[in-house]
Amino acid sequence: DSGVTQTPKHLITATGQRVTLRCSPRSGDLSVYWYQQSLDQGLQFLIQYYNGEERAKGNILERFSAQQFPDLHSELNLSSLELGDSALYFCASSVYGTGAHEQYFGPGTRLTVT
Amino acid sequence: KNEVEQSPQNLTAQEGEFITINCSYSVGISALHWLQQHPGGGIVSLFMLSSGKKKHGRLIATINIQEKHSSLHITASHPRDSAVYICAVNSNSGYALNFGKGTSLLVTP
Repeated sequence: DSGVTQTPKHLITATGQRVTLRCSPRSGDLSVYWYQQSLDQGLQFLIQYYNGEERAKGNILERFSAQQFPDLHSELNLSSLELGDSALYFCASSVYGTGAHEQYFGPGTRLTVT
Repeated sequence: KNEVEQSPQNLTAQEGEFITINCSYSVGISALHWLQQHPGGGIVSLFMLSSGKKKHGRLIATINIQEKHSSLHITASHPRDSAVYICAVNSNSGYALNFGKGTSLLVTP
């Protein structure tokens, strides 16, 4: 158990809908990363937050947004969902926001868009 | 072309065999990570390396910065080692991980 929690574990929704994925980092970790894992693209970095502020952006679509709250939990919002958004979404946390540090992964949310 | 390449893509071994998975990268890095993903989907960090070699139990990870290459070795492999092993790097310019496509390992009894 990494200490990172994600909810929900599974989500099935229809095209055009909007969903919110939630992540709680390990106690003491200030940085949260969101990653998407799809069959064709593998694991890709979406976005990073550190202590409430956006720190880095990767291949995140404009239809997707995220935020990190004062209690350090983070939410990833996916809107106008398309079939291609079906994937596993992981969050990971680390203590620091810069440099190379071990990241602790949550169990993931499996999103299926029908 | 992906910045992180792994080989082989798939690997089948018999229990007890010595296994090597390779990772090559094309960018300057501050660290390289080896991750393990089990069939259930969860990802576990095995090693983070910036130089030399690290060992944990039956797992050994090495990195050669000059050659931009890392290897993950599993000694005395066991069926419970069956998983996808993913190499990832922190580039010098970024904080997040850049991943290889993974190596799917099956160890048979």
